[in-house]
Amino acid sequence: QLQLQESGPGLVKPSETLSLTCTVSGDSVSSSSFYWAWIRQPPGKGLEWIGSIYYSGSTYYNPSLKSRVTMSVDTSKNQFSLKLNSVTATDTAVYYCARQDNQWLVGRWGQGTLVTVSS
Amino acid sequence: DIVMTQSPDSLAVSLGERATINCKSSQNVLYSPDNKKYLAWYQQKPGQPPKMLIYWASTRDSGVPDRFSGSGSGTDFTLTISSLQAEDVAVYYCQQYYSNPFTFGPGTKVDIK
Repeated sequence: QLQLQESGPGLVKPSETLSLTCTVSGDSVSSSSFYWAWIRQPPGKGLEWIGSIYYSGSTYYNPSLKSRVTMSVDTSKNQFSLKLNSVTATDTAVYYCARQDNQWLVGRWGQGTLVTVSS
Repeated sequence: DIVMTQSPDSLAVSLGERATINCKSSQNVLYSPDNKKYLAWYQQKPGQPPKMLIYWASTRDSGVPDRFSGSGSGTDFTLTISSLQAEDVAVYYCQQYYSNPFTFGPGTKVDIK
């Protein structure tokens, strides 16, 4: 059974880099059938797709965040990661990792992790 | 970007009654080569991640009760809960996965009247 677990610091200072990792169990990030995604949700607000990565390393980013986002995949650890630089308070959100199929449907989500940007 | 809108923002329905949520996309999300509508519905309960209910606008995900149904055309879509149960209290989101960026509607909160 697929499980996705986000991990990383819960507090990041303004202007610094937010770094999160998603550990996948029950599936392989090397699967050619899926993309691996990050989606965020500010407290009390809606959902925003950040970007997705394929096992080959190909990335697809939301243009609104593209200049600040880097995603990577580590097939040896069955993990994928998100880096968001130059963060501000507006980046405070619950960050979810998720699995997208090869037609971009987000089928399964992790439990999410709250990241607060504050000094 | 494809902008997704939903109506109403919230609704309260009596147990056993029908709940209807509307979603509109600013562009057609019907992909002609495969004749599929790239529209999904998610349910999010407090403190939980979203859960996929419906994909391809009208296909229920595995294990989703049949009181949930989806319908719609290329730009106008509906999620219907035919007989509201207490466990259906949640926020419901539509999402287009037709084109990058994959955008969500603002959500509709469903409560018990």
